[in-house]
Amino acid sequence: GESVGLHLPTLSVQEGDNSIINCAYSNSASDYFIWYKQESGKGPQFIIDIRSNMDKRQGQRVTVLLNKTVKHLSLQIAATQPGDSAVYFCAERETGFQKLVFGTGTRLLVSP
Amino acid sequence: EAEVAQSPRYKITEKSQAVAFWCDPISGHATLYWYRQILGQGPELLVQFQDESVVDDSQLPKDRFSAERLKGVDSTLKIQPAELGDSAMYLCASSFRDSNSPLHFGNGTRLTVT
Repeated sequence: GESVGLHLPTLSVQEGDNSIINCAYSNSASDYFIWYKQESGKGPQFIIDIRSNMDKRQGQRVTVLLNKTVKHLSLQIAATQPGDSAVYFCAERETGFQKLVFGTGTRLLVSP
Repeated sequence: EAEVAQSPRYKITEKSQAVAFWCDPISGHATLYWYRQILGQGPELLVQFQDESVVDDSQLPKDRFSAERLKGVDSTLKIQPAELGDSAMYLCASSFRDSNSPLHFGNGTRLTVT
């Protein structure tokens, strides 16, 4: 079946650097995408979402970019902090459906 | 901020026993989901409710798993009998009715089957 995947399983950065987490998706019928942050022992926490009629959306210290041509999604975190250390998942939703399909996650490690 | 409540937080059970998990979604959220997350992987949908009706249970192992949301509010997921391979995090999520709203997750129930 179609799935969402990630290029890098672990990303290590220094505090203060900008982080970029990438995600490839394969379902061309997906029209809604979400990034979640999951800390150890907790459920996924919503970070930011984007609809397919947009190519960029900004939040507080985070930006999501969507490239539908190559089916690629990225999450940029500005001035990464130790508290950003977690596993990050991208998820997609197919048009007309509500369920989310998750990728396998990228672990972000931020060192002081 | 409103949260999705789940209990218990942890559950250890022996194989062949029955186990149940409870979820209370965010007030006003018509859609409720149960996901299973194996360590190191992304969550996978088990069942989705719209109000009290099941709208997707295609990935639910129906020979041993059951789920209900009788009054369209809180929900229970049951496993009987539990197997070693059921050890995982069971996550509940809820969302508004429309397909353009994000899912909000609880902190899950960590199940260990021995």
